[in-house]
Parts: sequence; structure tokens; C-alpha cells
Amino acid sequence: EPEVTQTPSHQVTQMGQEVILRCVPISNHLYFYWYRQILGQKVEFLVSFYNNEISEKSEIFDDQFSVERPDGSNFTLKIRSTKLEDSAMYFCASSDDRASQETQYFGPGTRLLVL
Amino acid sequence: GNSVTQMEGPVTLSEEAFLTINCTYTATGYPSLFWYVQYPGEGLQLLLKATKADDKGSNKGFEATYRKETTSFHLEKGSVQVSDSAVYFCALISNFGNEKLTFGTGTRLTIIP
Repeated sequence: EPEVTQTPSHQVTQMGQEVILRCVPISNHLYFYWYRQILGQKVEFLVSFYNNEISEKSEIFDDQFSVERPDGSNFTLKIRSTKLEDSAMYFCASSDDRASQETQYFGPGTRLLVL
Repeated sequence: GNSVTQMEGPVTLSEEAFLTINCTYTATGYPSLFWYVQYPGEGLQLLLKATKADDKGSNKGFEATYRKETTSFHLEKGSVQVSDSAVYFCALISNFGNEKLTFGTGTRLTIIP
């Protein structure tokens, strides 16, 4: 069964460093998403992406964040200058239609720790 | 705005016990409702969903009924197994044109033999 994959599974970085989290969505899917979960808190929406552009973003997704689909398979989340409060589990998801119409399929997550 | 309130955990039950995890929501429009499950070391998996009032979603012995009058979507299973140990997330999408899932805080369920 096709699945969403994410790399790395864990990443430790120093405050102020750039990180890139990588995702490979399900191959025929067109809509891509990033969510995050700070330890002990809710899973929160960050951004959705369709047709090579952001379709919706939350207030969390400020100028320090960016997303890209650099080729036909990868979908990346970049944090330009990490802060301590960026420590969280980051989930990628994809769907083959708009989120309101179709199920989003999630990857296993990348646990990011900012020191 | 949209919100999901979910039963606080952790929940510990004995094998074959009856399970209920409560979930209530606030949303604009007519949301679709979901239960996702996260097994240890894995991603979020869709467990079941319901897209309109009075629909019942079911999968793997779990059920949840979309109750518009009480804005609830409680998860139930008649007889839990050790393999059901996981974190369960209630979530919604408002069918008002937006893209995002709004999640509850998650409930950690542990089943002991």
C-alpha cells in the first residue's frame, strides 16, 4: 500500500541553524500539507500546497518557514533560523483531492529538537 | 473558529473492556469528522470518518456516530485488544472551503492483558 515517507526521523539542531525536513508524498497525490505537534499539545496545521503554490497557511507559518516541491516526488519544509519553540514533531500529509473532500494520509513524522 | 475537545488521557483498560473516547467539536459550516490513530513509532492513520449528520463511521471494530445535535463524535469499541494500544486523535475539516484538519489533543490508550 502506498505511504507517505519522511526523513529524517529525528533531527537535533542548534538554535539559529537552518533545517530542511523532507517528505515523499503518495505518488498520484496533488495536495500536500505540513502539521506539527509540540510535545503534549495538539497537532496544528502549518501549510497546504497545491499546484506549486501555498493554498493556505496558519499564523504559525511565518517568514522563517518555507515549503518547496523541488522535483516530482519530494516536498520539503525549511525552517530558516530555528528557535527553541520550533522543537516539535512535524508531520507531512498528502491527499488526491481537496482536504475537505478526501482523506489526508500522514507520514510517520520527523522529531525536531532545537537546543 | 473551529475546535475539537477530546477526552483527556491517558486511558488504561483491561483487554476485552468497553471503550469510549469522547470528542466534541465547534465548527462553521458542516464539518467532516475523523478519528485518526497513531501506533507507536508510526504516523497518523485514518481510523474512520463521517461526512454528515447521523452517519456512522466504522473500522476494525471501532465506531463513531456524527451527532449534530450534541456536536459530538465519540469513539467506541465493544471489546478492546492489546493491539489497540495507541494514541487516538479526533479531528474535523470544515466544509467551508478550507484545507486544514483541526485536531484534538489526542488520547493515549493502553490495554493491559
